[in-house]
Amino acid sequence: GAGVSQSPSNKVTEKGKDVELRCDPISGHTALYWYRQSLGQGLEFLIYFQGNSAPDKSGLPSDRFSAERTGGSVSTLTIQRTQQEDSAVYLCASSLESSLSSYNEQFFGPGTRLTVL
Amino acid sequence: GNSVTQMEGPVTLSEEAFLTINCTYTATGYPSLFWYVQYPGEGLQLLLKATKADDKGSNKGFEATYRKETTSFHLEKGSVQVSDSAVYFCALSDFNTGGFKTIFGAGTRLFVKA
Repeated sequence: GAGVSQSPSNKVTEKGKDVELRCDPISGHTALYWYRQSLGQGLEFLIYFQGNSAPDKSGLPSDRFSAERTGGSVSTLTIQRTQQEDSAVYLCASSLESSLSSYNEQFFGPGTRLTVL
Repeated sequence: GNSVTQMEGPVTLSEEAFLTINCTYTATGYPSLFWYVQYPGEGLQLLLKATKADDKGSNKGFEATYRKETTSFHLEKGSVQVSDSAVYFCALSDFNTGGFKTIFGAGTRLFVKA
């Protein structure tokens, strides 16, 4: 079956512009995660959605970053007034519903490489 | 806060050599531990996991044992192949203190020469 897809695969933008990154999770996966991977760095957690619960936004680095998930499926990560330090690969992952007693494997998309000039 | 530290790469080995990639963690609770792998041109995928102390995760010839006394989860393989060339990420989730977020290490790139 289809895996997690992300679009665009590459995005080049000018400093100060807004960008939107899209994630299509695996069908039936209720949990969705966004991460950021900067050059030479590990993955940095950004935000987590599960079902209709309030998202965990604790990893968003500033108020220029926001994300939404419509209809419990597709998610959009928006970065306003982009800065050069926002340049990174943005990864989306989805999983079946997790609980405090069990962890469900996260399936990752190929990522969107964002370059802010 | 919770964190993961893994050995810096790149690691270069000849085929059939023994592999160890060190990983240590800091957590306030009792985390679950994971190794993820990213093959060239592909997305991250879960390699193995361990959810409590002394558990051993294994997959594709790779093993890692959850050592609470040393807060470590080192990845090992007895005989690497060229196809094992990839970036390996150690990670943890501490559901009781950190929710469902996963904390990743910086990754270790492995090159295996024929």
